[in-house]
Amino acid sequence: DAGITQSPRYKITETGRQVTLMCHQTWSHSYMFWYRQDLGHGLRLIYYSAAADITDKGEVPDGYVVSRSKTENFPLTLESATRSQTSVYFCAARVTGNTIYFGEGSWLTVV
Amino acid sequence: GQQLNQSPQSMFIQEGEDVSMNCTSSSIFNTWLWYKQDPGEGPVLLIALYKAGELTSNGRLTAQFGITRKDSFLNISASIPSDVGIYFCAGHKDRDDKIIFGKGTRLHILP
Repeated sequence: DAGITQSPRYKITETGRQVTLMCHQTWSHSYMFWYRQDLGHGLRLIYYSAAADITDKGEVPDGYVVSRSKTENFPLTLESATRSQTSVYFCAARVTGNTIYFGEGSWLTVV
Repeated sequence: GQQLNQSPQSMFIQEGEDVSMNCTSSSIFNTWLWYKQDPGEGPVLLIALYKAGELTSNGRLTAQFGITRKDSFLNISASIPSDVGIYFCAGHKDRDDKIIFGKGTRLHILP
């Protein structure tokens, strides 16, 4: 158990609205990741962070913003939500070696 | 884009049968990971592999790190209903912060 908590678990929002998905870890793992999961695409990396104040783009970063002011929090913000951002979002942390552990996911629907 | 080719995309098997799935890449990885995702939950780590040729078991699951370091295999013996889910392979390259996922293999078990 990597102690990763995501909130909200479920969210419905309107196109154009700003949405923030929260991710909190109870430990002090350095690396944290945001993935989105869509049918036919598997898990795609949006952004990741190597430490506080260090973030980098993944495979599909457009339309998303992240911050990491504290090691334990890694929020993901959709600045102006679009229907194509309807997805399941998973936060993860690297625990030991190169293994990562996931939170339970945030289901986002943009209408 | 994604660099891991996971196959098959889906499998329909009878309870009690053995299952094999694999993941290939044109790139060399120094870590291979296998995850299982149950409906409505985040992926859970099954097996981690760190050395070429390594063969590791976790109960009825056995995974291998390919000799070329460009592939990995997962076998499930004597499948049971709770094996249903999506299985993901993931890989980590040397000197890279990211962990890349395959698109998943969806396992269905027929009664």
